[in-house]
Amino acid sequence: AQKVTQAQTEISVVEKEDVTLDCVYETRDTTYYLFWYKQPPSGELVFLIRRNSFDEQNEISGRYSWNFQKSTSSFNFTITASQVVDSAVYFCALSEAADTGANSKLTFGKGITLSVRP
Amino acid sequence: KAGVTQTPRYLIKTRGQQVTLSCSPISGHRSVSWYQQTPGQGLQFLFEYFSETQRNKGNFPGRFSGRQFSNSRSEMNVSTLELGDSALYLCASSLGLAGGNTGELFFGEGSRLTVL
Repeated sequence: AQKVTQAQTEISVVEKEDVTLDCVYETRDTTYYLFWYKQPPSGELVFLIRRNSFDEQNEISGRYSWNFQKSTSSFNFTITASQVVDSAVYFCALSEAADTGANSKLTFGKGITLSVRP
Repeated sequence: KAGVTQTPRYLIKTRGQQVTLSCSPISGHRSVSWYQQTPGQGLQFLFEYFSETQRNKGNFPGRFSGRQFSNSRSEMNVSTLELGDSALYLCASSLGLAGGNTGELFFGEGSRLTVL
C-alpha cells in the first residue's frame, strides 16, 4: 500500500524567511510519481510539480525548489524568501504508474498549513 | 480557458437524504476524478471516470456512486447520507491519456456538503 507522511502539520514563518516542507513516502512500486499541490483558502488544489521515480534531479522554479531523494524516500519542498501569498495548505502526493500510463488516483499526505506573517 | 466547475458550492442535507454533485471538466479533458476531503481523513480518492467508464475506485461504500456523460461532465451521488459524509468534495479533470499528463490534475473549488 502507498503512504505519504507529512510530519509537520503547521508552520509559521515571518516574511522573507526560507521554509522547507517535508514529505516522506512509502511504495512498493518501482515506477511512481510524486507531486506537490497547494490549497489556498478558496479550496481548489493547485498543481505545483510532478516528479517521476526515475528522475532524481532537483528542480528550481523561481522561489520554489524541490529535493527528491530515493535513498530516503523523501521529496521535500523549499520556499525561499517566503511571502504572505504563500500562506496555504501544501500537500504532497504519490501515484503509481498504471499500465496505461494514465492514473488519476493520488494518495495524499495530511497536508502542512503554512502561515507567512508580514 | 475555463477551469473545472463544480455545483453546487455549498449544500446542507439531513441524515438519510441523498445528494448529487456535478462537475464540468476543462474542455477537452476526458478524465474526471473525485476526492473527499475531511479534517480527520484528509484527501481520499473516491473514483475516476474516463470516456463514460469508471476506471478506478477508492475504498468507499456503495452509497457513493458516480457517472460520466458523453460530454465528459460527471456527477457523483451519495445516498442515505450519514453525518460522517460531511466534507468538501473535490472534482479534478485531466486529459487522462496514456503516456500523457499522469497525475497533473486540475481541481475545482469543491462542493461543501454538511449533513445534519
